Amino acid sequence: GQQLNQSPQSMFIQEGEDVSMNCTSSSIFNTWLWYKQDPGEGPVLLIALYKAGELTSNGRLTAQFGITRKDSFLNISASIPSDVGIYFCAVLRGSARQLTFGSGTQLTVLP
Amino acid sequence: NAGVMQNPRHLVRRRGQEARLRCSPMKGHSHVYWYRQLPEEGLKFMVYLQKENIIDESGMPKERFSAEFPKEGPSILRIQQVVRGDSAAYFCASREGGNTEAFFGQGTRLTVV
Repeated sequence: GQQLNQSPQSMFIQEGEDVSMNCTSSSIFNTWLWYKQDPGEGPVLLIALYKAGELTSNGRLTAQFGITRKDSFLNISASIPSDVGIYFCAVLRGSARQLTFGSGTQLTVLP
Repeated sequence: NAGVMQNPRHLVRRRGQEARLRCSPMKGHSHVYWYRQLPEEGLKFMVYLQKENIIDESGMPKERFSAEFPKEGPSILRIQQVVRGDSAAYFCASREGGNTEAFFGQGTRLTVV
Protein backbone atom coordinates (compact mmCIF):
# COMPACT_ATOMS: atom_id res chain seq x y z
CA GLY A 1 0.00 0.00 0.00
CA GLN A 2 0.90 3.66 -0.22
CA GLN A 3 3.52 4.51 2.42
CA LEU A 4 4.04 8.17 1.58
CA ASN A 5 1.38 10.81 2.15
CA GLN A 6 1.99 13.77 -0.15
CA SER A 7 0.04 16.99 0.16
CA PRO A 8 -1.53 19.00 -1.16
CA GLN A 9 -2.82 17.00 -4.11
CA SER A 10 -3.04 20.15 -6.22
CA MET A 11 -2.27 23.84 -5.89
CA PHE A 12 -3.25 26.94 -7.83
CA ILE A 13 -1.02 29.93 -7.11
CA GLN A 14 -0.32 33.35 -8.59
CA GLU A 15 2.95 33.94 -10.36
CA GLY A 16 5.46 35.33 -7.89
CA GLU A 17 4.02 33.55 -4.86
CA ASP A 18 5.91 31.04 -2.77
CA VAL A 19 4.64 27.47 -2.52
CA SER A 20 5.24 24.63 -0.11
CA MET A 21 4.42 20.94 -0.33
CA ASN A 22 5.31 18.03 1.90
CA CYS A 23 5.49 14.30 2.31
CA THR A 24 5.01 12.33 5.49
CA SER A 25 5.26 8.72 6.45
CA SER A 26 4.91 6.52 9.50
CA SER A 27 8.23 4.89 8.61
CA ILE A 28 11.79 6.15 8.87
CA PHE A 29 13.83 6.64 5.70
CA ASN A 30 17.46 7.46 5.02
CA THR A 31 16.95 9.12 1.65
CA TRP A 32 14.35 11.59 0.39
CA LEU A 33 14.16 12.60 -3.24
CA TRP A 34 12.11 15.28 -4.97
CA TYR A 35 11.20 15.08 -8.67
CA LYS A 36 9.32 17.30 -11.10
CA GLN A 37 7.45 15.98 -14.10
CA ASP A 38 6.50 18.22 -17.02
CA PRO A 39 3.62 17.15 -19.27
CA GLY A 40 4.69 14.40 -21.66
CA GLU A 41 8.12 14.03 -20.08
CA GLY A 42 9.83 11.78 -17.57
CA PRO A 43 10.35 12.89 -13.95
CA VAL A 44 13.47 14.97 -13.40
CA LEU A 45 15.40 14.84 -10.14
CA LEU A 46 15.35 18.21 -8.35
CA ILE A 47 16.92 17.57 -4.97
CA ALA A 48 18.30 14.56 -3.07
CA LEU A 49 18.49 14.53 0.74
CA TYR A 50 20.57 12.07 2.73
CA LYS A 51 20.82 13.40 6.30
CA ALA A 52 18.15 14.12 8.90
CA GLY A 53 17.77 17.86 9.32
CA GLU A 54 19.52 18.55 6.03
CA LEU A 55 18.36 21.68 4.18
CA THR A 56 19.34 21.80 0.52
CA SER A 57 18.71 24.44 -2.12
CA ASN A 58 18.67 24.29 -5.90
CA GLY A 59 18.01 27.78 -7.25
CA ARG A 60 14.55 28.84 -6.09
CA LEU A 61 13.88 25.39 -4.67
CA THR A 62 14.61 24.41 -1.09
CA ALA A 63 13.99 21.00 0.43
CA GLN A 64 14.43 19.71 3.96
CA PHE A 65 14.85 16.23 5.37
CA GLY A 66 12.79 16.15 8.57
CA ILE A 67 14.64 15.61 11.82
CA THR A 68 12.48 12.57 12.64
CA ARG A 69 13.36 11.11 9.21
CA LYS A 70 9.65 10.59 8.60
CA ASP A 71 8.95 13.67 6.50
CA SER A 72 10.29 16.14 3.97
CA PHE A 73 9.10 19.37 2.45
CA LEU A 74 9.80 21.24 -0.76
CA ASN A 75 9.52 25.02 -1.08
CA ILE A 76 9.49 26.99 -4.30
CA SER A 77 10.04 30.72 -3.99
CA ALA A 78 8.84 33.41 -6.39
CA SER A 79 7.02 30.98 -8.67
CA ILE A 80 7.15 31.41 -12.44
CA PRO A 81 5.02 29.86 -15.22
CA SER A 82 7.58 27.14 -15.99
CA ASP A 83 7.19 25.78 -12.44
CA VAL A 84 3.93 24.21 -13.62
CA GLY A 85 4.02 20.43 -13.39
CA ILE A 86 3.68 17.52 -11.02
CA TYR A 87 6.04 17.30 -8.08
CA PHE A 88 6.75 13.91 -6.54
CA CYS A 89 8.54 12.96 -3.36
CA ALA A 90 10.24 9.57 -3.23
CA VAL A 91 12.18 7.41 -0.81
CA LEU A 92 14.48 4.42 -1.01
CA ARG A 93 12.68 1.83 1.06
CA GLY A 94 14.03 -1.28 2.75
CA SER A 95 17.29 -3.14 2.39
CA ALA A 96 16.65 -3.64 -1.34
CA ARG A 97 16.25 0.14 -1.81
CA GLN A 98 12.83 -0.05 -3.39
CA LEU A 99 12.08 3.35 -4.96
CA THR A 100 8.67 4.43 -3.66
CA PHE A 101 6.80 7.58 -4.74
CA GLY A 102 4.21 9.84 -3.21
CA SER A 103 1.01 10.49 -5.13
CA GLY A 104 2.25 13.84 -6.45
CA THR A 105 1.32 17.52 -6.16
CA GLN A 106 -0.05 19.14 -9.31
CA LEU A 107 1.09 22.76 -9.39
CA THR A 108 -0.60 25.38 -11.55
CA VAL A 109 0.86 28.90 -11.74
CA LEU A 110 -1.60 31.58 -12.80
CA PRO A 111 -0.29 34.68 -14.60
CA ASN B 1 27.47 10.51 -19.87
CA ALA B 2 24.19 9.86 -21.58
CA GLY B 3 21.06 9.76 -19.47
CA VAL B 4 18.59 6.93 -19.22
CA MET B 5 17.46 6.06 -22.73
CA GLN B 6 14.10 4.58 -23.48
CA ASN B 7 12.86 3.49 -26.87
CA PRO B 8 10.68 3.74 -28.66
CA ARG B 9 9.21 7.04 -27.42
CA HIS B 10 5.86 6.13 -28.94
CA LEU B 11 4.54 2.67 -29.73
CA VAL B 12 1.24 1.76 -31.34
CA ARG B 13 0.05 -1.82 -31.20
CA ARG B 14 -3.16 -3.57 -32.21
CA ARG B 15 -4.97 -5.63 -29.63
CA GLY B 16 -3.38 -9.04 -29.31
CA GLN B 17 0.08 -7.97 -30.48
CA GLU B 18 3.22 -7.88 -28.37
CA ALA B 19 4.88 -4.72 -27.08
CA ARG B 20 8.58 -4.55 -26.22
CA LEU B 21 9.83 -1.53 -24.34
CA ARG B 22 13.56 -0.95 -23.92
CA CYS B 23 15.48 0.89 -21.25
CA SER B 24 19.21 1.52 -21.35
CA PRO B 25 20.33 2.68 -17.91
CA MET B 26 22.96 5.31 -17.30
CA LYS B 27 26.54 4.05 -17.51
CA GLY B 28 27.52 2.25 -14.35
CA HIS B 29 23.96 1.82 -13.12
CA SER B 30 22.99 -1.71 -12.23
CA HIS B 31 19.51 -1.07 -10.79
CA VAL B 32 16.44 -0.51 -12.97
CA TYR B 33 12.84 0.27 -12.02
CA TRP B 34 9.80 0.27 -14.30
CA TYR B 35 6.72 2.41 -13.65
CA ARG B 36 3.41 2.84 -15.40
CA GLN B 37 1.53 6.14 -15.53
CA LEU B 38 -1.95 6.90 -16.74
CA PRO B 39 -2.88 10.49 -17.72
CA GLU B 40 -3.34 12.77 -14.70
CA GLU B 41 -2.19 10.01 -12.36
CA GLY B 42 0.90 9.14 -10.36
CA LEU B 43 3.69 6.65 -10.97
CA LYS B 44 2.65 3.07 -10.33
CA PHE B 45 5.52 0.73 -9.52
CA MET B 46 5.77 -2.38 -11.67
CA VAL B 47 9.12 -4.12 -11.28
CA TYR B 48 12.59 -3.61 -9.84
CA LEU B 49 15.58 -5.39 -11.34
CA GLN B 50 19.28 -5.64 -10.83
CA LYS B 51 21.57 -7.16 -13.40
CA GLU B 52 20.17 -10.63 -14.25
CA ASN B 53 17.89 -10.61 -11.19
CA ILE B 54 14.31 -9.57 -10.46
CA ILE B 55 14.29 -8.00 -7.00
CA ASP B 56 10.61 -7.09 -6.73
CA GLU B 57 7.88 -7.74 -9.30
CA SER B 58 4.96 -7.18 -6.98
CA GLY B 59 3.53 -4.37 -9.10
CA MET B 60 3.52 -6.28 -12.36
CA PRO B 61 0.53 -8.35 -13.48
CA LYS B 62 1.30 -12.06 -13.36
CA GLU B 63 -0.07 -12.68 -16.83
CA ARG B 64 1.13 -11.17 -20.10
CA PHE B 65 3.81 -8.98 -18.47
CA SER B 66 7.48 -9.87 -18.05
CA ALA B 67 10.71 -7.98 -17.50
CA GLU B 68 14.38 -8.74 -17.77
CA PHE B 69 17.69 -6.97 -17.29
CA PRO B 70 20.38 -9.14 -18.86
CA LYS B 71 24.06 -8.98 -18.14
CA GLU B 72 24.58 -7.24 -21.47
CA GLY B 73 22.11 -4.92 -23.14
CA PRO B 74 19.05 -2.95 -22.09
CA SER B 75 16.28 -3.86 -19.72
CA ILE B 76 13.18 -5.05 -21.54
CA LEU B 77 9.56 -4.78 -20.44
CA ARG B 78 7.47 -7.13 -22.51
CA ILE B 79 3.69 -7.09 -22.77
CA GLN B 80 2.12 -9.97 -24.63
CA GLN B 81 -1.35 -9.93 -26.20
CA VAL B 82 -1.88 -6.26 -25.45
CA VAL B 83 -5.33 -4.95 -24.56
CA ARG B 84 -6.68 -1.39 -24.65
CA GLY B 85 -6.17 -1.08 -20.90
CA ASP B 86 -2.41 -1.43 -21.39
CA SER B 87 -2.32 2.00 -23.05
CA ALA B 88 -0.21 4.21 -20.78
CA ALA B 89 3.19 5.85 -20.40
CA TYR B 90 5.87 3.46 -19.17
CA PHE B 91 8.91 4.95 -17.47
CA CYS B 92 12.12 3.37 -16.35
CA ALA B 93 14.60 4.73 -13.84
CA SER B 94 18.13 3.63 -13.05
CA ARG B 95 20.62 4.15 -10.26
CA GLU B 96 23.87 2.84 -8.88
CA GLY B 97 23.86 0.70 -5.77
CA GLY B 98 23.61 1.95 -2.20
CA ASN B 99 21.70 5.08 -1.23
CA THR B 100 22.01 6.82 -4.57
CA GLU B 101 19.40 8.81 -6.41
CA ALA B 102 17.53 7.45 -9.42
CA PHE B 103 17.23 9.04 -12.84
CA PHE B 104 14.38 8.61 -15.27
CA GLY B 105 14.11 8.11 -18.99
CA GLN B 106 11.71 10.02 -21.22
CA GLY B 107 9.21 7.19 -21.23
CA THR B 108 7.48 5.09 -23.85
CA ARG B 109 3.90 5.97 -24.64
CA LEU B 110 2.05 2.83 -25.60
CA THR B 111 -1.22 3.12 -27.46
CA VAL B 112 -3.27 0.00 -28.10
CA VAL B 113 -5.78 0.34 -30.91
